[in-house]
Amino acid sequence: EDKVVQSPLSLVVHEGDTVTLNCSYEVTNFRSLLWYKQEKKAPTFLFMLTSSGIEKKSGRLSSILDKKELFSILNITATQTGDSAVYLCAIVSGGYNKLIFGAGTRLAVHP
Amino acid sequence: GAGVSQSPSNKVTEKGKDVELRCDPISGHTALYWYRQSLGQGLEFLIYFQGNSAPDKSGLPSDRFSAERTGGSVSTLTIQRTQQEDSAVYLCASSLVLAGRGETQYFGPGTRLLVL
Repeated sequence: EDKVVQSPLSLVVHEGDTVTLNCSYEVTNFRSLLWYKQEKKAPTFLFMLTSSGIEKKSGRLSSILDKKELFSILNITATQTGDSAVYLCAIVSGGYNKLIFGAGTRLAVHP
Repeated sequence: GAGVSQSPSNKVTEKGKDVELRCDPISGHTALYWYRQSLGQGLEFLIYFQGNSAPDKSGLPSDRFSAERTGGSVSTLTIQRTQQEDSAVYLCASSLVLAGRGETQYFGPGTRLLVL
């Protein structure tokens, strides 16, 4: 059964710290991995990763995929209080377009 | 529209009543998805519509749940005889599917359902 595991489940840091969020997966037919940020209700899209070793960057956020070891990381540098959210990792597998989500990492950034 | 919209934003109902949740996808997106997020949990897939194909209903938790998509656009998720465990945020997403691939899904604000 396809599975996505995120760690840590929660994280508390201070502004300016750098954080690394982890996502590992087991999937029968990998197509892509996505990261979302969820602050209140609607998850907002961050990155889609399909190839190993290619870093995606957006401002202070970056992500990379390792298809051999079956994991991805999301890095946030110089964290700000506005980064406080739940970060969700999801995979698309096989012939299906449905997303299989991990439980998320709840990040709290304190001033 | 500019994004996925959902209504109502909040719904409180009594156990045993039926509820209907509505989703308006991004204009031009042929794929539409429903997910459920219970308190403190990750998103759980419910149902997926793509064009005129038969929907993938594999995630619906029971026969009390059903969904339809009329005219290839707006979708309605119906929960009959609601139970307290149905309380959750119901999220709708849509994507543009090209050559059968539509991985980037854009989410609506969700409907928070509370069954008393």
